Amino acid sequence: DTAVSQTPKYLVTQMGNDKSIKCEQNLGHDTMYWYKQDSKKFLKIMFSYNNKELIINETVPNRFSPKSPDKAHLNLHINSLELGDSAVYFCASSQDKSGSGTDTQYFGPGTRLTVL
Amino acid sequence: AQSVTQPDIHITVSEGASLELRCNYSYGATPYLFWYVQSPGQGLQLLLKYFSGDTLVQGIKGFEAEFKRSQSSFNLRKPSVHWSDAAEYFCAVGARNQGGKLIFGQGTELSVKP
Repeated sequence: DTAVSQTPKYLVTQMGNDKSIKCEQNLGHDTMYWYKQDSKKFLKIMFSYNNKELIINETVPNRFSPKSPDKAHLNLHINSLELGDSAVYFCASSQDKSGSGTDTQYFGPGTRLTVL
Repeated sequence: AQSVTQPDIHITVSEGASLELRCNYSYGATPYLFWYVQSPGQGLQLLLKYFSGDTLVQGIKGFEAEFKRSQSSFNLRKPSVHWSDAAEYFCAVGARNQGGKLIFGQGTELSVKP
């Protein structure tokens, strides 16, 4: 059973297109995250949701919009894709209910986005 | 602001040799410290974490790390490396009441020679 799953695994698209990446966790966790890993493997948090409520909203272009239909899902929609959006995007989840920061984050396998 | 530095971009060790990966952090209060491992094409897996208490923390796969407040360090060690340990290792720092936000270091790539 996959704990945190992401679809698609690979996404190749043209500049200017709009695309979505889906994330689902079956761990019963309350908090979900999106991270971006650039070509130098640097990982940076983008967003987090706790029980469908936006908690962390880092400085990312407003072309990126997370959506959480329920606490098991956190999707990432990207409008007007740019070359610089090419990266690996990781979804993660944790039991963290109160922002304690101590709970383990479980990561999905990543989605490699390539913008041509 | 929190920050994490992993001074070594790439380390190569022989199989069976000991390993130490360095991590230095910057944070005014008591940090929460984590080590994650990323195998090629995979997501990240937690190796170990430190919040308080005993400064020597044991993790999975035979790894351990020691928190040294005076040196602002949280180095990862393993007494005998296996070929399957070849991967990217990330140190991360978090804190209370930040919604679980983690600040990651730039990673250390470990290669293992036969």
